[in-house]
Amino acid sequence: AQTVTQSQPEMSVQEAETVTLSCTYDTSENNYYLFWYKQPPSRQMILVIRQEAYKQQNATENRFSVNFQKAAKSFSLKISDSQLGDTAMYFCAFISGNQFYFGTGTSLTVIP
Amino acid sequence: AAGVIQSPRHLIKEKRETATLKCYPIPRHDTVYWYQQGPGQDPQFLISFYEKMQSDKGSIPDRFSAQQFSDYHSELNMSSLELGDSALYFCASSWTQGSYEQYFGPGTRLTVT
Repeated sequence: AQTVTQSQPEMSVQEAETVTLSCTYDTSENNYYLFWYKQPPSRQMILVIRQEAYKQQNATENRFSVNFQKAAKSFSLKISDSQLGDTAMYFCAFISGNQFYFGTGTSLTVIP
Repeated sequence: AAGVIQSPRHLIKEKRETATLKCYPIPRHDTVYWYQQGPGQDPQFLISFYEKMQSDKGSIPDRFSAQQFSDYHSELNMSSLELGDSALYFCASSWTQGSYEQYFGPGTRLTVT
């Protein structure tokens, strides 16, 4: 069975600081994709970043980057220069076949 | 750029009634997914369709059914509604020839009273 674990239910960070959200997953597959989604108070699900398991290079999207450790099955999200608009629920997700598996989410609050 | 469209955005039904949720995927996307997100919960996968055929099934109750039509839009039919069905229902679409990321619609908020 595929599982995604986010061990930090809530986190906070000062504006302009850096924060890292943790995610671990469990799979027996070798090729897969990992994602981070952001869900602000509007409840819209917004894709933040994507990582292909076959790529060793960590994905980066502007202020967002990941630390992908395939052997450790770890996929953390780093947000640099945090902004107030980053306040949201963040879900780590893993795709296997045509099923997405979401973690339970980390609620991030950016403090002015 | 076109996004995933869901209708209605809000729906209020009474117990034991029926509801139909509609989803219009991004053009050229070949896969549609349905999710249910309860209050304070992570999205739970219900069902997916690839090229109009059901491709995967998650925790979808037997009271629910879904289909994808020739124009690729999808409908989630929910019968004998229960109070516990109150949730945000997301539709997402993806293009499997790409990188599998799913693009989510704005969701339909269903309230069962």
